[in-house]
Amino acid sequence: KQEVTQIPAALSVPEGENLVLNCSFTDSAIYNLQWFRQDPGKGLTSLLLIQSSQREQTSGRLNASLDKSSGRSTLYIAASQPGDSATYLCAAENTGGFKTIFGAGTRLFVKA
Amino acid sequence: GAGVSQTPSNKVTEKGKYVELRCDPISGHTALYWYRQSLGQGPEFLIYFQGTGAADDSGLPNDRFFAVRPEGSVSTLKIQRTERGDSAVYLCASSSDLYTGELFFGEGSRLTVL
Repeated sequence: KQEVTQIPAALSVPEGENLVLNCSFTDSAIYNLQWFRQDPGKGLTSLLLIQSSQREQTSGRLNASLDKSSGRSTLYIAASQPGDSATYLCAAENTGGFKTIFGAGTRLFVKA
Repeated sequence: GAGVSQTPSNKVTEKGKYVELRCDPISGHTALYWYRQSLGQGPEFLIYFQGTGAADDSGLPNDRFFAVRPEGSVSTLKIQRTERGDSAVYLCASSSDLYTGELFFGEGSRLTVL
């Protein structure tokens, strides 16, 4: 059974800092790994999706990496801004089925 | 539509009542998912549809929960005899293709059972 864990649960950084959010999963037989952003009271916005055959994906100041052998993914945010404050969730979709399992998220606060 | 639409955005009901939550996916998306999210937690899988059929309903917590998608587009999540523990945000997501897997979420329906 796939389990997804995100560390830290919460993070507060000053504006401009580069930061890394961590995601680990127990079953390496994943089809893809997706990172989402969630603002308070809102739905989830897709940030990056990494297929199992890929090692990383980049979009603007965001870079996500995937290491299936170690069961880990990281989301790197460069030059953080107050507008980046939100909860970041990672989710793993397993092969052999299409059920996507989510971590509990990392709540990020970027101080101006 | 431009995005996944969910109605109602908020629903307050009394214990024991029946509720329906509606999801209108992105036009052309064949896969549709329902998730439930409690405060401070990640979304919990409930059910997904490919077309009209429920391809995996293993996440439905018990037989009070049921979902349909009769024409392969709009889906309705139905909850009978609601309990206080059913209070949560119910999220719907759609995907253009099961084989890419990228999920697009609606804003959710917040259910409060008094």
